[in-house]
Amino acid sequence: SQTIHQWPATLVQPVGSPLSLECTVEGTSNPNLYWYRQAAGRGLQLLFYSVGIGQISSEVPQNLSASRPQDRQFILSSKKLLLSDSGFYLCAWSGLAYEQYFGPGTRLTVT
Amino acid sequence: AQTVTQSQPEMSVQEAETVTLSCTYDTSESDYYLFWYKQPPSRQMILVIRQEAYKQQNATENRFSVNFQKAAKSFSLKISDSQLGDAAMYFCASRPTFGNEKLTFGTGTRLTIIP
Repeated sequence: SQTIHQWPATLVQPVGSPLSLECTVEGTSNPNLYWYRQAAGRGLQLLFYSVGIGQISSEVPQNLSASRPQDRQFILSSKKLLLSDSGFYLCAWSGLAYEQYFGPGTRLTVT
Repeated sequence: AQTVTQSQPEMSVQEAETVTLSCTYDTSESDYYLFWYKQPPSRQMILVIRQEAYKQQNATENRFSVNFQKAAKSFSLKISDSQLGDAAMYFCASRPTFGNEKLTFGTGTRLTIIP
């Protein structure tokens, strides 16, 4: 069966510091991968998605970036965090079916 | 572009009773999928049920079923025999079958189960 991992689970970072969130998927090959952000009490906003290694599509222009160095690894980064980057970050994958399956998420607080 | 609207920010239901959560959507696509996701306090998004737009039969998963009205662009979720573990945020979502794989989410409905 397929599983998706995210780490860290929680993160507190000062403004201006760098960020690296990691997502890995097991049990499937060539998945489509997604990064979402959820602000407190709100819906999900798609940030990036990837259909293959090195292929990244950005949905929202901002100071975040994503990379996919391996088939089942998706990384969300920032060089300098802003207060507005605080939120809950969810990684998801989809395969041949049309639904997306989500990881446990990372709660990021920028202080 | 697709839009998804959930007009009920909060709902509550007595344990063991039935509750219906509303969702309407708008799309120019002829083929698309609709989903309901549950987000419990742990905040992990869990797929509850999905519906293919080309299918007239409403999807069912145990105590969860949908009422899909394609002409009205309505996709409600019915939870029967509500249990305490059903307490969560519920999000309606849609995506085209082809092309852009982006899931468009509604703003969610917070469901409270009253013991």
